[in-house]
Amino acid sequence: SQTIHQWPATLVQPVGSPLSLECTVEGTSNPNLYWYRQAAGRGLQLLFYSVGIGQISSEVPQNLSASRPQDRQFILSSKKLLLSDSGFYLCAWSVSPDTEAFFGQGTRLTVV
Amino acid sequence: SQQGEEDPQALSIQEGENATMNCSYKTSINNLQWYRQNSGRGLVHLILIRSNEREKHSGRLRVTLDTSKKSSSLLITASRAADTASYFCATKFDSSYKLIFGSGTRLLVRP
Repeated sequence: SQTIHQWPATLVQPVGSPLSLECTVEGTSNPNLYWYRQAAGRGLQLLFYSVGIGQISSEVPQNLSASRPQDRQFILSSKKLLLSDSGFYLCAWSVSPDTEAFFGQGTRLTVV
Repeated sequence: SQQGEEDPQALSIQEGENATMNCSYKTSINNLQWYRQNSGRGLVHLILIRSNEREKHSGRLRVTLDTSKKSSSLLITASRAADTASYFCATKFDSSYKLIFGSGTRLLVRP
């Protein structure tokens, strides 16, 4: 069966420090991969999505970047975190855009 | 801006009552999905309805889709305290790989 792993679950980082959040999917090939951010009590904002290795589409210009070095690995990065980068980050995958998405458990990032 | 917008933003009902949440969207879609999120957790897929479908059922869930009004509704019948969560609709634009979520409805079911 397919599973998605996202870590860490919580992270407290100082302003100006780098960030690397990792997401991996098991049990499927060539998944569509997504990174979302959720502010407290709000909806999900699509940050990046990827339909294949090295293919990244950015939705919101900001202090973050994404990479897909392997078929089932999706990484969210920042060189220098800002206070406004705090939030709940969710990774998801789907077989195709027309099918259901499966979410990781999320990473609660607090930038101090 | 968000493609889907849920209404109401928050809903509080008594256990055993039905809960209805609505979602409106702006452009033509291939499908519309509903998800549930318990506090501080990832989202769980509930149901997907395609643009050529008008109604779909799954257990105590009933979803309708009106493409002429660009709206969908999620009905939870005989609600339980365990149904307390946030519920989101999500849409995929035609010819797009993007899955866009609405702002969600926070449902509280009082025991």
